Amino acid sequence: QKEVEQDPGPLSVPEGAIVSLNCTYSNSAFQYFMWYRQYSRKGPELLMYTYSSGNKEDGRFTAQVDKSSKYISLFIRDSQPSDSATYLCAMRSGNTPLVFGKGTRLSVIA
Amino acid sequence: DSGVTQTPKHLITATGQRVTLRCSPRSGDLSVYWYQQSLDQGLQFLIQYYNGEERAKGNILERFSAQQFPDLHSELNLSSLELGDSALYFCASSVRGDSQETQYFGPGTRLLVL
Repeated sequence: QKEVEQDPGPLSVPEGAIVSLNCTYSNSAFQYFMWYRQYSRKGPELLMYTYSSGNKEDGRFTAQVDKSSKYISLFIRDSQPSDSATYLCAMRSGNTPLVFGKGTRLSVIA
Repeated sequence: DSGVTQTPKHLITATGQRVTLRCSPRSGDLSVYWYQQSLDQGLQFLIQYYNGEERAKGNILERFSAQQFPDLHSELNLSSLELGDSALYFCASSVRGDSQETQYFGPGTRLLVL
């Protein structure tokens, strides 16, 4: 079992839809949870960062962490064509290196 | 633009060859990370340097080596290249390399081994 599992998609939604992306993980020591967005032929950029369990909201984006279920989610409200990208979850414990999911490719159709 | 620069953008070479990838971190960042991204493995951490010293090592092959220079730029050397080394190689940087810091990624070097 890989440390971090993420459905690769692709996921295709109409503009304005609510998008739900998620990852599961096996290492209960993970404390820091991140979502990165990667546009085609670009490097990943940090979208959301959460420490431990709970929710965090930033504009149209909400990140949720459920440590008891080892499950994290990213919700995108009112999705836009500009949100079309690959979304990578990442996590770490302490000062250990980041462990990434393989990414979910999202297409938002106008 | 993250402020991290990587050269070259693209590299095509043959099996058995050696290449050097270069990374310049954001101004003020002391820590540099190298990652490999392939379709089957996803984004994998290779190695981290902090202020010239190796800080953490991931799934880096013995054929690969890296270093960080006094001016804080870093180089990743890949030798005895194999077809399976074809991938995107990203460099990222952060201020101190602590867990709560954001890592800023460069645009990557796309390596194709023929």
